[in-house]
Amino acid sequence: EPEVTQTPSHQVTQMGQEVILRCVPISNHLYFYWYRQILGQKVEFLVSFYNNEISEKSEIFDDQFSVERPDGSNFTLKIRSTKLEDSAMYFCASSGNLYNKNIQYFGAGTRLSVL
Amino acid sequence: DQQVKQNSPSLSVQEGRISILNCDYTNSMFDYFLWYKKYPAEGPTFLISISSIKDKNEDGRFTVFLNKSAKHLSLHIVPSQPGDSAVYFCAASLDSNYQLIWGAGTKLIIKP
Repeated sequence: EPEVTQTPSHQVTQMGQEVILRCVPISNHLYFYWYRQILGQKVEFLVSFYNNEISEKSEIFDDQFSVERPDGSNFTLKIRSTKLEDSAMYFCASSGNLYNKNIQYFGAGTRLSVL
Repeated sequence: DQQVKQNSPSLSVQEGRISILNCDYTNSMFDYFLWYKKYPAEGPTFLISISSIKDKNEDGRFTVFLNKSAKHLSLHIVPSQPGDSAVYFCAASLDSNYQLIWGAGTKLIIKP
């Protein structure tokens, strides 16, 4: 069964460093998303991406964050200068076409630890 | 932000019995609701969904009920199995945008 894959599973970084979290969405999906879950808190939407551009972003997704689809398969989240409060699980998701975009399929997540 | 609420942090059910997980929402404009299941160290796995134009959707052991007037939905699992032990999240979306709004989750424990 097709699945969303995320790498790495765990990323440790120093405060102020740049990190790139990588995702390979399901191959025929058109919509891509990033969410995060800080320990003990709800899952929060960060950004959605469609047709090579951001379609929606939350207040969390400030200038420190960016997303890219560098080729036909990868979807990346970059955090330019990490802060302690960026420590969280980051989930990538994808969904199909305009008529079934509501059902989002998730990867296993990347645990980001900022020291 | 409390648009989607799951008021029970945990629920314990005997194997073979019915599990009922509840979710309340405040935004009457939501038009799609989803339930996800999550095991530790894994991502959320889609279980079942329902459109706001329906009041019930069934898939095998899983049934979701939607009561729009009460802004309430529930997930029924029958019969409950040990593999159902996980955290269950309710999520909602608007047709006009892309993001899912999540509840805090309910940890379901199935006792043998």
